[in-house]
Amino acid sequence: GDSVTQMEGPVTLSEEAFLTINCTYTATGYPSLFWYVQYPGEGLQLLLKATKADDKGSNKGFEATYRKETTSFHLEKGSVQVSDSAVYFCALKPGGSYIPTFGRGTSLIVHP
Amino acid sequence: EAQVTQNPRYLITVTGKKLTVTCSQNMNHEYMSWYRQDPGLGLRQIYYSMNVEVTDKGDVPEGYKVSRKEKRNFPLILESPSPNQTSLYFCASSSQREGPEQYFGPGTRLTVT
Repeated sequence: GDSVTQMEGPVTLSEEAFLTINCTYTATGYPSLFWYVQYPGEGLQLLLKATKADDKGSNKGFEATYRKETTSFHLEKGSVQVSDSAVYFCALKPGGSYIPTFGRGTSLIVHP
Repeated sequence: EAQVTQNPRYLITVTGKKLTVTCSQNMNHEYMSWYRQDPGLGLRQIYYSMNVEVTDKGDVPEGYKVSRKEKRNFPLILESPSPNQTSLYFCASSSQREGPEQYFGPGTRLTVT
């Protein structure tokens, strides 16, 4: 079956540091890929997405590129802020399906 | 405003006392689902629904029931809650015609003593 593997946290960084959170997936066909963010006390919200190979999703300074050859969708940000502290979930959804598969989430803690 | 709402947001109850957590969306989405989130385990799907009167089990359905009588509502029912159902619960919805992403509710924190 489909699966998503993301790096375990917590990831702890100082403000303005570079962020990478790794995500790899296993799926048949060509799934859509997502990063969701969960701020403390809130539900998940879509951060960015990519629907086909080589697409780059971007939002709020975060980026991720759909790499089919390495089955990866790593999340990056050049300079993190304290307000980026949250849990980040990588997810995939096969084409034509309603049912997504989520990674376990990676907690990011940014210190001033 | 397009949104998914859940009620209640917080609930403390006792073992065996039936409860219902409501979920409603105003986006005319055909797909709705329930997840529970537990530390170290991420999100696990409980039940999902492809449309009115169509529901199916997710990964952890034991101890839960759902119904989908109207397109906008998808309540989660715990007929005899147990302490191992203490968790954070999320409802989500999506539509194929709008795109592949899901829209999540704010969560319901349930404690069963």
